[in-house]
Amino acid sequence: KNQVEQSPQSLIILEGKNCTLQCNYTVSPFSNLRWYKQDTGRGPVSLTIMTFSENTKSNGRYTATLDADTKQSSLHITASQLSDSASYICVVSDRGSTLGRLYFGRGTQLTVWP
Amino acid sequence: EADIYQTPRYLVIGTGKKITLECSQTMGHDKMYWYQQDPGMELHLIHYSYGVNSTEKGDLSSESTVSRIRTEHFPLTLESARPSHTSQYLCASSELTSKGHEQYFGPGTRLTVT
Repeated sequence: KNQVEQSPQSLIILEGKNCTLQCNYTVSPFSNLRWYKQDTGRGPVSLTIMTFSENTKSNGRYTATLDADTKQSSLHITASQLSDSASYICVVSDRGSTLGRLYFGRGTQLTVWP
Repeated sequence: EADIYQTPRYLVIGTGKKITLECSQTMGHDKMYWYQQDPGMELHLIHYSYGVNSTEKGDLSSESTVSRIRTEHFPLTLESARPSHTSQYLCASSELTSKGHEQYFGPGTRLTVT
């Protein structure tokens, strides 16, 4: 069964601190993995996308890593800001789908305190 | 920012009413999707479309229906709203890139049925 598991479920950090979010997946055959940021009451917005051959991708203060062998990914946020408070969702797509079907994790709810 | 729009953003309605959630995109994408998301939970695919006159049910059973008469428009209808339909509904469209399908999400409609 294709699944995406994320941890922790929620996280509280102080402004300026770093944090790392985890994602494990069982989606096969693997096409790509994305990290999305979803602000409360908004739709998800893509942060990074990685294919099988990529093991790290950065977007400003966000750095995602991918280990396709162990089927694990992480999202590292550096020097957190109040605006980073949101849900971060790991999303995996399978190569066999002509629909572009996505498998979603439940997200990690990040709260940044001043 | 993706060019995909949803209206209304918030809707509170009584049981038994008929409602239509609007979704439109100006990117010319053929594939479009409707997701349902409850707080703290993952997105569940409820409907999708490969293009004009194509509609299919997704993974999560839903009493809603959709239509696709024009490429840019993918409305979702509930004939008789019930409290169990209270949720956030997200519309998306996708394009095929070198890294696989890239989905773009609308801002969502928060539906409350009293």
